[in-house]
Amino acid sequence: QSVVTQPPSASDTPGQRVTIPCSGRISNIGRNYVHWYQHLPGTAPKLLVYRNNQRPSGVPDRFSGSKSGTSASLAISGLRSEDEADYYCVVWDDNVSGWVFGGGTKLTVL
Amino acid sequence: EVQLVESGGGLVQPGRSLRLSCKASGFSFDDYAMHWVRQAPGKGLEWVSGITWNSGNMDYADSVKGRFTISRDNARNSLYLQMNSLRAEDTALYYCVKDSGSTWQAPYHWFDPWGQGTLVTVSS
Repeated sequence: QSVVTQPPSASDTPGQRVTIPCSGRISNIGRNYVHWYQHLPGTAPKLLVYRNNQRPSGVPDRFSGSKSGTSASLAISGLRSEDEADYYCVVWDDNVSGWVFGGGTKLTVL
Repeated sequence: EVQLVESGGGLVQPGRSLRLSCKASGFSFDDYAMHWVRQAPGKGLEWVSGITWNSGNMDYADSVKGRFTISRDNARNSLYLQMNSLRAEDTALYYCVKDSGSTWQAPYHWFDPWGQGTLVTVSS
């Protein structure tokens, strides 16, 4: 079992707001930055949020990240069909001295 | 435009070796740390290995430690992953990934961008 956990799935209808949680420990999320990636099948994962809540240029402001304690979350507002993808959080873990990915959340737009 | 193009994947028998390559372009390769990240079929992403800009420091996930070796050739703008004693559980799509800085182990860094990946299948 991963030291950083995400729900395997999430869903909502177009136009709605969905939140994807990422839960960890003091050694990872509690002390370090969380980054988020969108992964569509057959494509390279794409950076959505870095350093908890920073958006790279070109990423719509519908995507936002936050962190509190040992948990982080990615929020997607104004849900669109093209948002249907797998979403991963990743964080450095001080205990394992390595990078740890959450298990990923498959988002379905109903 | 930053581009990372992986190659070297294929079908290999358990216990054999394979060497992956990643050709980088569009940025100063020797300024940045690099990583390998993999995704097994139906599974999530797993960090495999990272290397600093000057090859001064590298490390591996426990699942591959002692079997895989990461290296780079800054003159050729290339990253490599030598995979020995391959196992069925190493079957995955292997991504070459650029770090946002020069060291792979900095918690304030992130991965961007990623290559398209090269598929490694370990099977008899």
